[in-house]
Amino acid sequence: QVQLVQSGTEVKQPGASVRISCKTSGYIFSSHYIHWVRQAPGQGLEWIAVANPSAGTTGYAQNFGDRVTVTSDKSTTTSYLDLSRLRSEDTAVYYCARESPRPGPFDYWGQGTLVTVSS
Amino acid sequence: DIVVTQSPESLALSLGERATINCRSSQSLLYFSNNKNALAWYQQKAGQPPKLLISWSSTRESGVPDRFSGSGSETDFTLTISRLQAEDVAVYYCQQYYSTPRTFGRGTKVEIK
Repeated sequence: QVQLVQSGTEVKQPGASVRISCKTSGYIFSSHYIHWVRQAPGQGLEWIAVANPSAGTTGYAQNFGDRVTVTSDKSTTTSYLDLSRLRSEDTAVYYCARESPRPGPFDYWGQGTLVTVSS
Repeated sequence: DIVVTQSPESLALSLGERATINCRSSQSLLYFSNNKNALAWYQQKAGQPPKLLISWSSTRESGVPDRFSGSGSETDFTLTISRLQAEDVAVYYCQQYYSTPRTFGRGTKVEIK
């Protein structure tokens, strides 16, 4: 069965960086794009980025500037989100999600990773 | 970027009542290659990730109860829960996947009165 399993809770100081992993299984990793979405406490869903594991291409939401990078490791079928220069507003639950055959909705989601940015 | 506007923000209904959630896109989501609308609906229960309910504006995912239905075309869409059940308490989001960035509505919280 398809699974996306994310790394655990992170607590970071302002200005630091965080890396979140999303280990996938149960399907052909290169055949589906992986998206990253976050949800601040009590708020809605915000799209962050997309990775094409096959071609190695990526796309990012403009409001993150150059603070965000997503990568894909085909050998371990894992996707990574790196977010740098953290600020308190980055406190959120971060989700990875698989896109069903493109273009498509997000048919499978990770369990979420809570990132807390606090001094 | 495509802006997706969802309404209402919240909804409180009695068990068995009909719930209607609206979603409007700033541009047409009609996908040329299959003549379908690239609009999805998700359900998010407290403490859980979102769950895909409906894709292509009206196609229910496997296992989703048939009291959930989606309709609409191009820029105006609706999610209907025909007979509200206790387990439907959640926040519902629409999302366009016509283009990147993939944008979501702000969500509709559905509660039991």
